[in-house]
Amino acid sequence: DTGVSQDPRHKITKRGQNVTFRCDPISEHNRLYWYRQTLGQGPEFLTYFQNEAQLEKSRLLSDRFSAERPKGSFSTLEIQRTEQGDSAMYLCASSLKLRPWEQYFGPGTRLTVT
Amino acid sequence: GQNIDQPTEMTATEGAIVQINCTYQTSGFNGLFWYQQHAGEAPTFLSYNVLDGLEEKGRFSSFLSRSKGYSYLLLKELQMKDSASYLCAASYNTDKLIFGTGTRLQVFP
Repeated sequence: DTGVSQDPRHKITKRGQNVTFRCDPISEHNRLYWYRQTLGQGPEFLTYFQNEAQLEKSRLLSDRFSAERPKGSFSTLEIQRTEQGDSAMYLCASSLKLRPWEQYFGPGTRLTVT
Repeated sequence: GQNIDQPTEMTATEGAIVQINCTYQTSGFNGLFWYQQHAGEAPTFLSYNVLDGLEEKGRFSSFLSRSKGYSYLLLKELQMKDSASYLCAASYNTDKLIFGTGTRLQVFP
C-alpha cells in the first residue's frame, strides 16, 4: 500500500514530556500538511510544506510545536513540554502541488497526555 | 475568521436521499471540499467544487453557490455504510483547508 503512513498510531505521555510524530506521504506528493482533530470537531490546520519549505504555520500553534521536512519526503512534528490540552488526533495529509484540493490523509497519531 | 457551518447530526433511512448543507464566508474564498470520515478513521476525499453548479460522482453529488456562500452534499440511495461524519471544508487564498465541525449522519434500516 502506498498511502500516507504515520507513526506511532498511539502515544500516551505524561505532561511535560516531549513527543515526536512521523509522517510518510505518498511518494510523488510534494505537499504535506499537518492537522489536529479533537473529538466531535473537524480537523484544524497546523502547518504545511511544499517539498522541504514550510509555507504556512497556524497562528494557533504555540512555540512548543515544531515541524520539519528536511529532505522533502517524510515529516516530523514535535511537541515540547506537552500539556493535557494537546491530547488529540494528529493527522498528516499529502497532495500534489497541482492538485492541492485532493489531500490524502494518513491514519493519524492519537496522543493522550496524562 | 472563516466560519464553516453545517448541521451537527442528521438521520436518514436506507435507500433514501439526504442533503447536507454547508455555509461559509465568501471573502477570499477559493474552493469547497467534502470529506467523509468513519469513526476512528482518517477523512477521505469526496469532492471539490470551485465553480457554481452541481458536480455528480456516482451516488454522491456536491453543489456550490459562490455568491451565496453555500454548498450541499447530496447522497442518494443511502446505504448503511454511508453512516459517517461528513466534513465540509473551504480554502481561502492558500491551500490549507478550513474544516467545519462535521455532520454525523446515521442511516437506519
